Amino acid sequence: GGIITQTPKFLIGQEGQKLTLKCQQNFNHDTMYWYRQDSGKGLRLIYYSITENDLQKGDLSEGYDASREKKSSFSLTVTSAQKNEMAVFLCASSMEGRDTEVFFGKGTRLTVV
Amino acid sequence: QQQVRQSPQSLTVWEGETAILNCSYEDSTFDYFPWYWQFPRESPALLIAIRPVSNKKEDGRFTIFFNKREKKLSLHITDSQPGDSATYFCAASAGGGYKVVFGSGTRLLVSP
Repeated sequence: GGIITQTPKFLIGQEGQKLTLKCQQNFNHDTMYWYRQDSGKGLRLIYYSITENDLQKGDLSEGYDASREKKSSFSLTVTSAQKNEMAVFLCASSMEGRDTEVFFGKGTRLTVV
Repeated sequence: QQQVRQSPQSLTVWEGETAILNCSYEDSTFDYFPWYWQFPRESPALLIAIRPVSNKKEDGRFTIFFNKREKKLSLHITDSQPGDSATYFCAASAGGGYKVVFGSGTRLLVSP
């Protein structure tokens, strides 16, 4: 089995601040994802990457940047944190190919004051 | 615009009853529909999945019914147990693509 490690677990930022969330996986999966989970709004795809140095925008990419410098790691940057923003950011990964299971990390909980 | 819609937003059933969770989608190119469940303070995990070549997929007490013409599917949980209490997400992806889209979830509570 493998594991997806997200750091930090909790992140408190200030309005306008640039914040970076990190994710590492040891599944040796090709594809990695960043989802945002707000209460009552399900999981919204921010960015995904099908291989090292690849980036694909999801439905919620505005206001975020991502970086996939290694196969095992995928980072997400909130370019300018919005006041009173609260959400959980979930990193995930899956094997190459169709219909494969997506595995999730435990999340980074962001609070902007 | 939400590509995958779920209803109801929350559902309470008694232990032993059948819970029915609904899902609909817009994009006719979607051809893989996994359901994930998420327990409090946990991450989502795959529960069961279906491809439109069949209209039913069963795994123990969990069954997906799929209606391609109406672009609807439902998850039936028979003999519901308190341990089934979780949020259930319907998801979809298309053509071997990597983009997996999730619905907003149904929060299920099974009362003993």
